[in-house]
Amino acid sequence: AQRVTQPEKLLSVFKGAPVELKCNYSYSGSPELFWYVQYSRQRLQLLLRHISRESIKGFTADLNKGETSFHLKKPFAQEEDSAMYYCALTRANTGNQFYFGTGTSLTVIP
Amino acid sequence: DVKVTQSSRYLVKRTGEKVFLECVQDMDHENMFWYRQDPGLGLRLIYFSYDVKMKEKGDIPEGYSVSREKKERFSLILESASTNQTSMYLCASSSPGQGKYEQYFGPGTRLTVT
Repeated sequence: AQRVTQPEKLLSVFKGAPVELKCNYSYSGSPELFWYVQYSRQRLQLLLRHISRESIKGFTADLNKGETSFHLKKPFAQEEDSAMYYCALTRANTGNQFYFGTGTSLTVIP
Repeated sequence: DVKVTQSSRYLVKRTGEKVFLECVQDMDHENMFWYRQDPGLGLRLIYFSYDVKMKEKGDIPEGYSVSREKKERFSLILESASTNQTSMYLCASSSPGQGKYEQYFGPGTRLTVT
């Protein structure tokens, strides 16, 4: 069965510290991975997708097919990074079915 | 910018009522989705639609139905609302035909069933 696992429900880090939000997946085909973010009182929005290989707001995520992971990283956390983060997966070239993790609530302590 | 709008931000209904949640997108997206979002459970897919009048069940379709009569509009229907359907409901759309698999979300409807 397709599944996305985010092992941490809550994560707190101090401002300026590195942050890593973990995401592991199980999928039988060729996946496309995403990170979505939801700031307080805002709608869920795309943060980044693995095929873009880009850095958004200082965040990066590398797809590790051997470990089936897609961890989100930022070297220096900022207060405005406090939000709920969801890892998501879809089958490449279709987008017809999406699987979301249960989310990690990140709090950056000033 | 893709705009996905939902008919209500907050809704309070009584047990047994029929409830309609409406979602409209303005970017000609083929796919539309309905999720419910609950703390600790993340987003769970209720139904999705990949074309007008086409629908597929998601992970938790029980107690829900959907309607897609026009490409831009996707409705979620609770035939007889129950208290365990109290939740945040999110609508999303995407356009695989344009190579855009990522989903664009609406602001959500917080439904309370009393």
